[in-house]
Amino acid sequence: GAGVSQSPSNKVTEKGKDVELRCDPISGHTALYWYRQSLGQGLEFLIYFQGNSAPDKSGLPSDRFSAERTGGSVSTLTIQRTQQEDSAVYLCASSSGRREQFFGPGTRLTVL
Amino acid sequence: GDSVTQMEGPVTLSEEAFLTINCTYTATGYPSLFWYVQYPGEGLQLLLKATKADDKGSNKGFEATYRKETTSFHLEKGSVQVSDSAVYFCALSDQNDMRFGAGTRLTVKP
Repeated sequence: GAGVSQSPSNKVTEKGKDVELRCDPISGHTALYWYRQSLGQGLEFLIYFQGNSAPDKSGLPSDRFSAERTGGSVSTLTIQRTQQEDSAVYLCASSSGRREQFFGPGTRLTVL
Repeated sequence: GDSVTQMEGPVTLSEEAFLTINCTYTATGYPSLFWYVQYPGEGLQLLLKATKADDKGSNKGFEATYRKETTSFHLEKGSVQVSDSAVYFCALSDQNDMRFGAGTRLTVKP
């Protein structure tokens, strides 16, 4: 039974470059979430997908951030023109209904 | 909107001490409540949960009781171990949305 997987596990990029982070949720889970966790900080909600509904983008910090979920499964979080303050661990989680969320291991992004 | 407030850390305890991490919530509906744990260098994992009032979640010696009258879900453990050192997050889920507290860092010293 596969859990939530994310790739890459680590990404180092230069300021101003674009990055794509991938999340593969648990099969059959209709809800998918992206969070950001900066060093020593709590979880910052970014975006939430539920089935075929319009995503809740209320947590995206700027228009440089966007996310897609194709076919109700895999999701990609894109950060354009990265800044040093974007450095963080990006966590993906999936869930089924009101049940608990299952988290992936995260992608550690470092912007130089 | 729904929200979770948990005790600020960091918390430092000696091994075998009693642990309480306070968590209170605000919700318009009837949420499910959770505690997640994040061990150093790892992702979040569910520690325990409760889905309705007066339910008690328990796991690995940790317990938390869903108290509707005080809108609380405090985490307790009678005797902590060094291996319990981690960050603990309280969370609620209602209508497919989940809200997390800011996290409380626990360090247990031998």
